[in-house]
Amino acid sequence: SQQGEEDPQALSIQEGENATMNCSYKTSINNLQWYRQNSGRGLVHLILIRSNEREKHSGRLRVTLDTSKKSSSLLITASRAADTASYFCATDSASNTGKLIFGQGTTLQVKP
Amino acid sequence: GAVVSQHPSWVICKSGTSVKIECRSLDFQATTMFWYRQFPKQSLMLMATSNEGSKATYEQGVEKDKFLINHASLTLSTLTVTSAHPEDSSFYICSARSGKGTKNEKLFFGSGTQLSVL
Repeated sequence: SQQGEEDPQALSIQEGENATMNCSYKTSINNLQWYRQNSGRGLVHLILIRSNEREKHSGRLRVTLDTSKKSSSLLITASRAADTASYFCATDSASNTGKLIFGQGTTLQVKP
Repeated sequence: GAVVSQHPSWVICKSGTSVKIECRSLDFQATTMFWYRQFPKQSLMLMATSNEGSKATYEQGVEKDKFLINHASLTLSTLTVTSAHPEDSSFYICSARSGKGTKNEKLFFGSGTQLSVL
């Protein structure tokens, strides 16, 4: 398969709670990126973590990367209704093709 | 951040017609653009890599004669769905990197085009 896997496929939480999404991939990577997509729209880049990094923060976002397990997680803390969207991980292969391959995505619903 | 403009946002066409989708980088030069396809509630599937001044590189299973890609300038790539059929109905999204090499790793996305073929 071209894509990695994300879990859960769907997540519903209350405002203020934390949301954790996981991503697994198959090949060696240069970096892993997380994107957000609102329904019917393009994607917005959230955060990038390189293969030699283990954790990265950006505002309410925290990303971890475990290259030995070929997995990453995205944590959104203190969620807001406006965080409702689909979240995708994408990997930039170490073979340096320049292509980004996307995971299946997690649909997050944050209830007010 | 860099802006990628995609047009049209949506298009409805009759079966057998061709549809052209434009993707422009507004404030940077994009030597490489990527075209993705997305079915409802699914992920993005890479269709092809568009390189300025050369032929596009298509992913396995994507018909190059069906999905014509032209990247004639550093700011414009077009995707033409030829002889469209209902199964081609999908959300098409372009993206671009600013600059060459792996220094600029993140992609900037257009807002997508919803194609409906009747």
